[in-house]
Amino acid sequence: DTAVSQTPKYLVTQMGNDKSIKCEQNLGHDTMYWYKQDSKKFLKIMFSYNNKELIINETVPNRFSPKSPDKAHLNLHINSLELGDSAVYFCASSLMQGANYGYTFGSGTRLTVV
Amino acid sequence: TQLLEQSPQFLSIQEGENLTVYCNSSSVFSSLQWYRQEPGEGPVLLVTVVTGGEVKKLKRLTFQFGDARKDSSLHITAAQPGDTGLYLCAGGSGGSNYKLTFGKGTLLTVNP
Repeated sequence: DTAVSQTPKYLVTQMGNDKSIKCEQNLGHDTMYWYKQDSKKFLKIMFSYNNKELIINETVPNRFSPKSPDKAHLNLHINSLELGDSAVYFCASSLMQGANYGYTFGSGTRLTVV
Repeated sequence: TQLLEQSPQFLSIQEGENLTVYCNSSSVFSSLQWYRQEPGEGPVLLVTVVTGGEVKKLKRLTFQFGDARKDSSLHITAAQPGDTGLYLCAGGSGGSNYKLTFGKGTLLTVNP
């Protein structure tokens, strides 16, 4: 049973399209995250939600809109896709916010914008 | 902006050798985590250290958090091909807006 599952695993789409990535965790964690990993493997936080409430919103274009319908789900919708959005997007969760809590990551969604 | 520098960026060694990977910052972190990532997968947590000077061991892996909580090291003894992967350190800070900031990683290849 996958702890943090993301769909789809691969997404190839044209510039200008709108797409969504879904994430679900069955760990009972309170906090969920979206990270972007670029071609050089650098992981950068995009958003963080705690119990459905947005708590971190890094400098991300407003074409990216997260949504958390409940604390087990955090989806990412991207409007008007650009070439520079191509990357691997990871969803993660942690029991709570704070220093003692490690993150459990999904296996990623590889987005390719052509 | 808090930055974590990892060194070396790439490391290729033979099975049985020892190695150390470093993670350095000019910022103080409330915690330091190490992850390993394999191709096509997400990072997997190896350890969390929260106290300055703390040392944790996980089989052949030894993790240390610097006294000033600005740096960390990962030492692997008698490396095996199964240790191959991208090792990422991540520093935690921020109080009520706590978040992890990742280093750029060390890509380790252990050759049989």
